[in-house]
Amino acid sequence: TQLLEQSPQFLSIQEGENLTVYCNSSSVFSSLQWYRQEPGEGPVLLVTVVTGGEVKKLKRLTFQFGDARKDSSLHITAAQTGDTGLYLCAGEGYSTLTFGKGTMLLVSP
Amino acid sequence: DTEVTQTPKHLVMGMTNKKSLKCEQHMGHRAMYWYKQKAKKPPELMFVYSYEKLSINESVPSRFSPECPNSSLLNLHLHALQPEDSALYLCASSVSGTASNQPQHFGDGTRLSIL
Repeated sequence: TQLLEQSPQFLSIQEGENLTVYCNSSSVFSSLQWYRQEPGEGPVLLVTVVTGGEVKKLKRLTFQFGDARKDSSLHITAAQTGDTGLYLCAGEGYSTLTFGKGTMLLVSP
Repeated sequence: DTEVTQTPKHLVMGMTNKKSLKCEQHMGHRAMYWYKQKAKKPPELMFVYSYEKLSINESVPSRFSPECPNSSLLNLHLHALQPEDSALYLCASSVSGTASNQPQHFGDGTRLSIL
């Protein structure tokens, strides 16, 4: 069974602060996806990283895939209240996704 | 707005009731999924349909019965549920159940409460 560990599980910060969320596994994944889920909604895909060492930027969000394709990080610069939500990393297996336990981010004004 | 539509948004039912959850997508995706999500937890995979055939059943109790009438529709029939089945039920779809690097598109879920 492939497991994904996310840390921290919960993060409460002020608007304007920077933060990093980590996603780690002992298994190699062909790709890794990051989703954000807001209350009352389904998860929404933010990015897919495929190549070891890859870095992708989405406005204030920077995603990195580890060289060995076992870990990933999400860095948010100057967090905004609209960034509040559950951040999930998911590793791709055959026909399925293995989700990490998620990081609940609360950004206060 | 999500491209995967789930109905109803909320459902309250007794343990002896029979009800169905519905999911629809018109993106031409050939893989569809049912997940169960408890509060502040990640989604847990229940079933995968690939090209309208059940390809994965993650040891889900028989009181949950999936059905895929066609490539756009996915149902989840519920019967004799237990209070611990109360959760958010998410439907998702992807282009193909066999190709790699396939993002999943999620609906907003059905919030199910069992009395």
